Amino acid sequence: EVQLVQSGAEVKKPGESLKISCKGSGYSFNIYWIGWVRQMPGKGLEWMGIIYPGDSDTRYSPSFQGQVTISADKSITTAHLQWSSLKASDTAMYYCARHQKRGVGRDAFDIWGQGTMVTVSS
Amino acid sequence: EIVLTQSPGTLSLSPGERATLSCRASQIVSSNYLAWYQQKPGQAPRLLIYDASTRATGIPDRFSGSGSGTDFTLTISRLEPEDFAVYYCQQYGGSPYTFGQGAKLEIK
Repeated sequence: EVQLVQSGAEVKKPGESLKISCKGSGYSFNIYWIGWVRQMPGKGLEWMGIIYPGDSDTRYSPSFQGQVTISADKSITTAHLQWSSLKASDTAMYYCARHQKRGVGRDAFDIWGQGTMVTVSS
Repeated sequence: EIVLTQSPGTLSLSPGERATLSCRASQIVSSNYLAWYQQKPGQAPRLLIYDASTRATGIPDRFSGSGSGTDFTLTISRLEPEDFAVYYCQQYGGSPYTFGQGAKLEIK
């Protein structure tokens, strides 16, 4: 079964760092783009960026460029989303999701993780 | 950046009725690379339609997508109780691959 399994909920303080994960299984992890999507409480979906695990080619939304880092570790078939200094406004559900077609950068997301809730509060 | 505007924001209908949701882009979506997703409370989104009109695997044929250029439509021919949810369009013709703000389909 193709699936993405995300790490558990996090509660952090402003200024702290954080790295959340998304483990892919049941498919060739290296050759499908994986992306991250933010959903703030009660709000819509926001596309953050995508990464191609095969060569770590990464594309960011301008809204998130410099605010987060997207990475992937092929050896453990896991993508990551990290922050160096969290803000209260980073409080949201974060989903990872996989592109449908192998190797295709412009594509829809067909497989989604279950989401990781990040709460940032002093 | 392409801005997607969905309308109406909320649609109130009864089971068995036809639902029509609109997604308008601020500029032409290259190759009609537009998708529709369904999201229910507490769940991750689910892909319904991609490339504007192709149903994703396992999606019932009461869901259909149409449109091109800047105007796209998701139609649900006969609403089932499980179809009441929030729907999002997304363009992936040009980075960043933006989402619409969402449209809530609620039971009348």
